[in-house]
Amino acid sequence: KAGVTQTPRYLIKTRGQQVTLSCSPISGHRSVSWYQQTPGQGLQFLFEYFSETQRNKGNFPGRFSGRQFSNSRSEMNVSTLELGDSALYLCASSLGEGYTEAFFGQGTRLTVV
Amino acid sequence: GENVEQHPSTLSVQEGDSAVIKCTYSDSASNYFPWYKQELGKGPQLIIDIRSNVGEKKDQRIAVTLNKTAKHFSLHITETQPEDSAVYFCAAPRGGADGLTFGKGTHLIIQP
Repeated sequence: KAGVTQTPRYLIKTRGQQVTLSCSPISGHRSVSWYQQTPGQGLQFLFEYFSETQRNKGNFPGRFSGRQFSNSRSEMNVSTLELGDSALYLCASSLGEGYTEAFFGQGTRLTVV
Repeated sequence: GENVEQHPSTLSVQEGDSAVIKCTYSDSASNYFPWYKQELGKGPQLIIDIRSNVGEKKDQRIAVTLNKTAKHFSLHITETQPEDSAVYFCAAPRGGADGLTFGKGTHLIIQP
């Protein structure tokens, strides 16, 4: 069974630009969660989607948004990029029925210059 | 919301010795506690988890214990090997839906 796939693996953007990251969950998983990982703040929850609906949201500004498609694939978008948005962005997929095991992708390394 | 504290931030042990990493959580309603291992350049890998209806769970050289009264849980790795060197994270549910709150991580170093 294929794991969680995130694309692209690496991205370099300029301040003020926007970026879209993609996550394909494990087949059969309906929940996708997104996290930001930085050396200073660690792993921080961004939001979670289940059956195309956002169920849970972390404490991030409105510049961070996401969506989920009918095939459970998810995208997250960051608009008006700031230097502080440089981070490893991780998505995790799970069945979504209560608290079940969450499996992470390799992440997308975003660098804002 | 849930708050998870993890200690120590760095742990160095001799190969073959045991390692213990401890976490505390704040929400007494939390009922699921996973542990992840993250190697350089990779995403976190789920290595073991425990639910609140059991006090201990083992999988070969790793085990997790849970004390619901004290609201803490621990990861135990026995007979440590070089490949155990990594950053380990504990986590607890955010509440309401899927999504986890993570501890700050423990950098485990296995000395040869």
